Amino acid sequence: AQSVTQPDIHITVSEGASLELRCNYSYGATPYLFWYVQSPGQGLQLLLKYFSGDTLVQGIKGFEAEFKRSQSSFNLRKPSVHWSDAAEYFCAVGAPGNAGNMLTFGGGTRLMVKP
Amino acid sequence: DVKVTQSSRYLVKRTGEKVFLECVQDMDHENMFWYRQDPGLGLRLIYFSYDVKMKEKGDIPEGYSVSREKKERFSLILESASTNQTSMYLCASRWIRANTGELFFGEGSRLTVL
Repeated sequence: AQSVTQPDIHITVSEGASLELRCNYSYGATPYLFWYVQSPGQGLQLLLKYFSGDTLVQGIKGFEAEFKRSQSSFNLRKPSVHWSDAAEYFCAVGAPGNAGNMLTFGGGTRLMVKP
Repeated sequence: DVKVTQSSRYLVKRTGEKVFLECVQDMDHENMFWYRQDPGLGLRLIYFSYDVKMKEKGDIPEGYSVSREKKERFSLILESASTNQTSMYLCASRWIRANTGELFFGEGSRLTVL
């Protein structure tokens, strides 16, 4: 069974600082990987996704994530955080090629941005 | 753009009341889902539907039921609301033929049961 761990429940960074949110997954092969963002009181919006190919993927709002097979990780990064990035971030994993597969979500990381 | 609309953003109900949460998607997606989101627990799947009139239990179906009479609409029903069902409810849909698993979410319905 697939699983996802986001080790950091809360992270606080200063505006303009760099950001890295960690995501580790458990799956027998290379999964499909997603990062979603949830602004306060809102639903989840897809930031980026990885299916295959280049292991560094670019997303919206200046985010990127790198798939590292050897570490079973898919960490999210942003070089310079803006106050509007304060939100909750969810990593998710799915089984490739399985149309019926459910996504498994991590517990989320809440990002706070200091002025 | 895909749009998933949840009809009620905020609801306050009393214990024992019947509650309907409605979700509509406009992209002809086959699959639809209801999740519950609680602090520290992430997203937990309540029910999902592969297609019209089809439904499957997720991880936490107890106390809930669903209805999917039309492809675009998926309803979550709380037959007799209880205080432990106070939560944020998220509806999602996906296009099965894309074969990626990617979900599209609504903005959520925050339910408070008094």
